[in-house]
Amino acid sequence: EAGVTQFPSHSVIEKGQTVTLRCDPISGHDNLYWYRRVMGKEIKFLLHFVKESKQDESGMPNNRFLAERTGGTYSTLKVQPAELEDSGVYFCASSVIGGTEAFFGQGTRLTVV
Amino acid sequence: RKEVEQDPGPFNVPEGATVAFNCTYSNSASQSFFWYRQDCRKEPKLLMSVYSSGNEDGRFTAQLNRASQYISLLIRDSKLSDSATYLCVVNVGGSYIPTFGRGTSLIVHP
Repeated sequence: EAGVTQFPSHSVIEKGQTVTLRCDPISGHDNLYWYRRVMGKEIKFLLHFVKESKQDESGMPNNRFLAERTGGTYSTLKVQPAELEDSGVYFCASSVIGGTEAFFGQGTRLTVV
Repeated sequence: RKEVEQDPGPFNVPEGATVAFNCTYSNSASQSFFWYRQDCRKEPKLLMSVYSSGNEDGRFTAQLNRASQYISLLIRDSKLSDSATYLCVVNVGGSYIPTFGRGTSLIVHP
């Protein structure tokens, strides 16, 4: 069975550009989470979907970040316009309903220059 | 105060040593507890869940102390391959959002 997959694995963009990250959760996992790890800091929660609904987006840094999960399958996280401080590794995770183990994707390493 | 706190280390130990990590959490309503392992430039992977009664998986033992709000991970007979960052993860409250500690770096040397 395929795990959580994320695309792209790396992205280097210029400040002011737009980037869209994609996450395909494990099939059947209704919970989908986005996280970000900035160099030297802990992995920080961004938001949580249950199916296509945003349950909690309290971790989203600002309105330059937009996450969607149309149809309750894959999710996208768009950063527009990107700023230097947006650089980091963006992880996606999924789990079944019930608070069990979350499975992580390999992450997207975003560098804004 | 951070929701989940860990000593970042690094813990530098010789092969065969026993090493223990602690993690404290601030929300007494936390429901589930896990230790994840993260290798350099890789994604976090579940090492083990932590149960109230404590649990063991080979050389790894996890303990939970709800009264003091901390969990621990004990690694016996350390191997070179145990070198990694160990992440304490707590599902907070009713939302079951996994919340991470900063991670503890372990370096096992020959």
